[in-house]
Amino acid sequence: QKEVEQDPGPLSVPEGAIVSLNCTYSNSAFQYFMWYRQYSRKGPELLMYTYSSGNKEDGRFTAQVDKSSKYISLFIRDSQPSDSATYLCAMKLGGGTSYGKLTFGQGTILTVHP
Amino acid sequence: DVKVTQSSRYLVKRTGEKVFLECVQDMDHENMFWYRQDPGLGLRLIYFSYDVKMKEKGDIPEGYSVSREKKERFSLILESASTNQTSMYLCASRKGTNEQFFGPGTRLTVL
Repeated sequence: QKEVEQDPGPLSVPEGAIVSLNCTYSNSAFQYFMWYRQYSRKGPELLMYTYSSGNKEDGRFTAQVDKSSKYISLFIRDSQPSDSATYLCAMKLGGGTSYGKLTFGQGTILTVHP
Repeated sequence: DVKVTQSSRYLVKRTGEKVFLECVQDMDHENMFWYRQDPGLGLRLIYFSYDVKMKEKGDIPEGYSVSREKKERFSLILESASTNQTSMYLCASRKGTNEQFFGPGTRLTVL
């Protein structure tokens, strides 16, 4: 079983739809949770970063963490064609090591069509 | 702005060749990482380095080695390229526990 499982998609939605992207994890020691967005032929870029259970909003994006269920989600409101990309969840253990590695999900390809 | 650059965007090599992938970051980050990205498998960590001349194996180090002689530069070496090393290779750098920045990637094809 992989440490981080992500709904593989692909996901295709009409413009304006609400999108839900999800990851589950098995290691309860993960303390930091991230969502990266990767456009075609580019490297991933950080979209959201959170370390506590609950919701974090940034514009049209909301990151949700449920540590008791070991489940994280990214919601995109009013989705736009420019949101079409691969979305990757990533997690990191807590503790003092500054170089702690990120563990990534498999990625979900999202297409928002006009 | 942090910049992570990789020496090539596309590379085609033959089986058995020695391949060097170079990564340079300009923000004095101590931590640098090499990943490969394959469809359905996400990003998998090959090696990382937390200081000059220091290196640690990631999840899939077999068939790869790395070199970090200067803080800003982290090289990935395929000693004898094989077809199963055809992949997208991504370099990243990070300061402490902060945001990890990625380069644009190198798409390597081994024939």
